[in-house]
Amino acid sequence: GAGVSQSPSNKVTEKGKDVELRCDPISGHTALYWYRQSLGQGLEFLIYFQGNSAPDKSGLPSDRFSAERTGGSVSTLTIQRTQQEDSAVYLCASSLDRSSSPLHFGNGTRLTVT
Amino acid sequence: GENVEQHPSTLSVQEGDSAVIKCTYSDSASNYFPWYKQELGKGPQLIIDIRSNVGEKKDQRIAVTLNKTAKHFSLHITETQPEDSAVYFCAAQFSGYALNFGKGTSLLVTP
Repeated sequence: GAGVSQSPSNKVTEKGKDVELRCDPISGHTALYWYRQSLGQGLEFLIYFQGNSAPDKSGLPSDRFSAERTGGSVSTLTIQRTQQEDSAVYLCASSLDRSSSPLHFGNGTRLTVT
Repeated sequence: GENVEQHPSTLSVQEGDSAVIKCTYSDSASNYFPWYKQELGKGPQLIIDIRSNVGEKKDQRIAVTLNKTAKHFSLHITETQPEDSAVYFCAAQFSGYALNFGKGTSLLVTP
C-alpha cells in the first residue's frame, strides 16, 4: 500500500519568504509527527498530532513555525519569514496510534533558504 | 523531556564482522525502544524494536538488548554486509508521547 507521502521533495526559497510543507500520512494512522534533520545530524522533534487531541507543540523552535492537521489526515507545516538556519530536511511520520506503534517515515522535504 | 545518547557516531567494520551500537536514555518511564536505518535521500525505516517487558529480541542478523536498570540498549548486527552501510538511529518513547532519537551512527561496511 501507499506509504507516507511528502511534498514537495525539494524547496528552495529566499530568506524572509513563507513556505508550506505537506504530509499525507498512511490511511488509518491516527498519529502524525514532524521532525527536522539538519545536515549530518539526528532527528529533532517538532510537533506531534494524535487523533483529536491537542497537538504536542513542545518541539517547535520558534513562533515562526506552525502546523495543522485537517480532518485527522493531511498535515501542513508552515514556516514564516524563513531564515537560513531553517535549511534542513523536514520529515513527516505516521503511526497507527499512540501506544508505541512503529513510525513510518516519508522521504522528507529538503528545504534550502538562500 | 527524554534525552537519548548514541555511540559511536561513526563505525567502520569489515564485511562479515559484527557491529554494535549503544544508546542510553534518561527517562526511566520510557517503555519502547526502536531502531531505524536511514539510507541516503530516504526517510528512516524501522529495522527492529523492543518493549520494556523484554530484555532481548532477535531478527535474523539483527538483535537488540535492553538493560532497564542501567537505562541502556544496544543494536547488534552480525555477519555484516556492504548493504548494511547506512545511518542507524536509536530512539526511546514513553507511551503516548513523541519518539526521541539519538544523533545517529554512520556505519560503513567495507568489502
